[in-house]
Amino acid sequence: AQSVSQHNHHVILSEAASLELGCNYSYGGTVNLFWYVQYPGQHLQLLLKYFSGDPLVKGIKGFEAEFIKSKFSFNLRKPSVQWSDTAEYFCAVNARQAGTALIFGKGTTLSVSS
Amino acid sequence: NAGVTQTPKFRILKIGQSMTLQCTQDMNHNYMYWYRQDPGMGLKLIYYSVGAGITDKGEVPNGYNVSRSTTEDFPLRLELAAPSQTSVYFCASSYGGLAGHEQYFGPGTRLTVT
Repeated sequence: AQSVSQHNHHVILSEAASLELGCNYSYGGTVNLFWYVQYPGQHLQLLLKYFSGDPLVKGIKGFEAEFIKSKFSFNLRKPSVQWSDTAEYFCAVNARQAGTALIFGKGTTLSVSS
Repeated sequence: NAGVTQTPKFRILKIGQSMTLQCTQDMNHNYMYWYRQDPGMGLKLIYYSVGAGITDKGEVPNGYNVSRSTTEDFPLRLELAAPSQTSVYFCASSYGGLAGHEQYFGPGTRLTVT
């Protein structure tokens, strides 16, 4: 069965620090990859997505992620975090041959102190 | 566009009661989904629909029912509420499934069963 692993449960950073959140998935076929963010009290919003092409994708608010097929990874990065980035971040995978469902990781809570 | 709307925002049920969580989208999306989010567990798919009249089970369908009589609406029914159904429920929609189109999420319904 497909699964998504997010290795960091809770990350605490100071403003201006760099961020990298790990995401690994288990599926051998073609996948679509997503990072969603959930700000406190809000619903999930798409940060970025990868379908095909350039494995380095850029999203909103200065976030980017790199798809490394050989490592089954899709890590999220941001060079300099802000207090407003405090949120929960979810990696999600859609295995194209398995239909429409998204499989979510358990999420990483990011706390940024000013 | 309002996007994906859900009602109610909060609800407390007694064990054995029933209720319907409402979900409506105004983006003319074919695909709709119901997820539940439990703390530290990410989101898990309950049911999904690929169009009016067509529904299918997700990862955790037990204790729930759905219907899809129109493109816009995708209600989730709890027949005999149990404490294990205490969770936050998110409805989502997408234009298409196979290409991994972005899923748009509603604001969620926080349900407590006591």
